[in-house]
Amino acid sequence: GDSVTQMEGPVTLSEEAFLTINCTYTATGYPSLFWYVQYPGEGLQLLLKATKADDKGSNKGFEATYRKETTSFHLEKGSVQVSDSAVYFCALSDDGDYKLSFGAGTTVTVRA
Amino acid sequence: GAVVSQHPSWVICKSGTSVKIECRSLDFQATTMFWYRQFPKQSLMLMATSNEGSKATYEQGVEKDKFLINHASLTLSTLTVTSAHPEDSSFYICSVGQASYEQYFGPGTRLTVT
Repeated sequence: GDSVTQMEGPVTLSEEAFLTINCTYTATGYPSLFWYVQYPGEGLQLLLKATKADDKGSNKGFEATYRKETTSFHLEKGSVQVSDSAVYFCALSDDGDYKLSFGAGTTVTVRA
Repeated sequence: GAVVSQHPSWVICKSGTSVKIECRSLDFQATTMFWYRQFPKQSLMLMATSNEGSKATYEQGVEKDKFLINHASLTLSTLTVTSAHPEDSSFYICSVGQASYEQYFGPGTRLTVT
């Protein structure tokens, strides 16, 4: 079945540091890939997505590229801010299906 | 994206009672809604897929008689936790499925069973 594996946290960074969160997936079809973010006390928000191989999703300075050859969708940001402190979830939705499979989530804390 | 609300945001109930959680799609007619459960510091676990006008589809291991789902209109789905027990205490989240297989999530409902 479909599954998502995310790097374990928590991750603690200083402001302006580079952030990368690894995500790999297993899917039977051609999935769409997503990163969701959950800020403290709030619901999940879609951060970015990619629907086919080599697509790059980007939003708020975050980027992730759909790599079919390595079945990966790593999240990166070049210079994090304190406001980026949140839990980040990698997820996939297999071809033709709305159902999402989530990774375990990675807690990121950015210190001033 | 779709705007999704949930009510209540937090509920405390006594063991043995039932509690109903509402999920509303405010600006989108949702034929499909999803219910998730999230334990502290853990990922979301899909409980069921709610289809407007038909029975919900439950994931393996989820008791359909305990977690009653009703999707009576294109903007409202409800989850009723029947005969709640302390182990049902959790964060319940609904989402709406939209184009490109995206989902938009409600803010969640924290259930505490005493």
